[in-house]
Formats: sequence, structure tokens, C-alpha cells
Amino acid sequence: TAGITQAPTSQILAAGRSMTLRCTQDMRHNAMYWYRQDLGLGLRLIHYSNTAGTTGKGEVPDGYSVSRANTDDFPLTLASAVPSQTSVYFCATGGPGTGDHEQFFGPGTRLTVL
Amino acid sequence: RKEVEQDPGPFNVPEGATVAFNCTYSNSASQSFFWYRQDCRKEPKLLMSVYSSGNEDGRFTAQLNRASQYISLLIRDSKLSDSATYLCVAIYYGNNRLAFGKGNQVVVIP
Repeated sequence: TAGITQAPTSQILAAGRSMTLRCTQDMRHNAMYWYRQDLGLGLRLIHYSNTAGTTGKGEVPDGYSVSRANTDDFPLTLASAVPSQTSVYFCATGGPGTGDHEQFFGPGTRLTVL
Repeated sequence: RKEVEQDPGPFNVPEGATVAFNCTYSNSASQSFFWYRQDCRKEPKLLMSVYSSGNEDGRFTAQLNRASQYISLLIRDSKLSDSATYLCVAIYYGNNRLAFGKGNQVVVIP
């Protein structure tokens, strides 16, 4: 099984442009998460979804939106990218039932906003 | 103040030596704790859970001290393959969200 896939692997984006980062899982986990990881700041939660049809804001939600139309997909959209959104973005799944609340991470998307 | 604090290091460790590091957490309501491992430019992966009684997994030992609000990780007989960043993680059952520390970078030197 693929587990968690993210696309694209990396992207260079002009400031002001919009972009959607894709995340798909085949693990049938209810919960999904988007994090960004920046040097010196660690992993920070952007948005999360406890189950299909629901979403919530994390620690740094501004400038990002998410949707959860079904269990498998959790896209993250940047409506108008800014250079401060240059980061590595990780999608994760997990939650109750996965064993000790372990989260499983995708391989990440490296985004550079110029 | 960050919910989970770690000294980023790096911790330079001779091969075969023992290294230990702590992380402190600020929310006394934290219910569960974990150590994740992250290799350079890769995703984090669960290394081990941390139980109140302490637990061991091969060369790795994790401890929890609720009174002082810290957890620790000890690596014995360090291998070159142990070079990575070790992330301390706390979870609050109220929202099932993980709070990550910035990580302890370990570099095992031949």
C-alpha cells in the first residue's frame, strides 16, 4: 500500500499565485493534519480534520484553507502565496484507533515562494 | 512559551557512546508522550511511546517524570545510523493534537 502520498514533491511558486498541495491516504484513518516545518521553529499545525466533512484551525492557519470531502483526501490551498509561506509541508494521518495516537506522515512537499 | 521545549544541539556523540537528552513540557494536562525520529529531509516517524513506568526498546530507553514535567531519551552504544533529529511530542486527549518540540539533533561520529 502507498500509505500517504503528497504532491507535488517540490514547487517554486510566484508570490500572489494560488496553489493546492495534495494529500491522499489509503490507510482509512479518520484524522488528517497539515503541518509546516521551518528551520528553528519545528513542526507547526496548520489545519486538521478529525473526520470527513469537518475541519479545524491549528496553530498557524492564516493564508491557508482545507477541505475534507472524503476520508482519503485532504488538500491544502494557498489562495495568494507569500514568501513567508516558503516551507516544507507535511500531511499526516492518525487519531484514535491507530494505537497510542500515533501519527503517520507523508513524504512532504517543499514549497518556495518567490 | 512553547508547549514542548528541547535543546536543539547538535549532540556530537562518538560511535559506541551513550547519549541522553531531555525535553520539558508546559501543559500539565498532557496525557501521552512520544519520541519521533526525523532523518534529514525526510518525514518524522514514531520511534517509541513513553510510558509512566519508563520503557526500553533495544538500545533506546525513554523515561517520563510528571512531577518535573520532562521526558528523556537515552541511546546506548550509539551507531552511525542513529544520526537524526529526535522530536519530543506531547498529546492532549481533548483535541488529539500533537505538540512537537523543535528536536534534538544527534550526530554520531566514527
